[in-house]
Amino acid sequence: EAQVTQNPRYLITVTGKKLTVTCSQNMNHEYMSWYRQDPGLGLRQIYYSMNVEVTDKGDVPEGYKVSRKEKRNFPLILESPSPNQTSLYFCASSLKPSGRGGQPQHFGDGTRLSIL
Amino acid sequence: AQSVSQHNHHVILSEAASLELGCNYSYGGTVNLFWYVQYPGQHLQLLLKYFSGDPLVKGIKGFEAEFIKSKFSFNLRKPSVQWSDTAEYFCAGASGNTGKLIFGQGTTLQVKP
Repeated sequence: EAQVTQNPRYLITVTGKKLTVTCSQNMNHEYMSWYRQDPGLGLRQIYYSMNVEVTDKGDVPEGYKVSRKEKRNFPLILESPSPNQTSLYFCASSLKPSGRGGQPQHFGDGTRLSIL
Repeated sequence: AQSVSQHNHHVILSEAASLELGCNYSYGGTVNLFWYVQYPGQHLQLLLKYFSGDPLVKGIKGFEAEFIKSKFSFNLRKPSVQWSDTAEYFCAGASGNTGKLIFGQGTTLQVKP
């Protein structure tokens, strides 16, 4: 089954404790992206990756890191989490970026992070 | 700057009522536009998209949207909503070879049975 898998689904942690949210897709997609969803703000793009070893900042990259060492994986790293990073996070992938011929994004089920 | 905005933040309708959700975009050049739906507790799913051709696009579950370039709009419509359409709806835009995808703020639709 074609899917985007995120782990963990839920996490409560404390300020400053490094954490990683994993994202994996099994569709051989080139493009992957991370978003955070906050009430009233919709989804905001954190980072995206056009292909292996190619990553770039979205609109809200501060406090986050990513890497793309393999095509299927795109982990999101919070080196020193802070309470303002409490949010619902979604990973997504597509064959090509959405700006090329209207490629739709395939979304994971989301990760709810609470940082105390 | 590129942007996508949705005017209605919370819409309440009765079953069988008609729906129109507004979406306006600000992009230079060619734009690809999308409507996604998020049912309670679920991830986003594509409803429909526009990237070229017929400006009236039809999607799943009876939804349609019209791309009106002169108005920079891509409004979502459905002639008769059902209780199962209760969800959050997001308009999104992307352009060219950049990897950026910009979402509107979202519209929460509540359909009363």
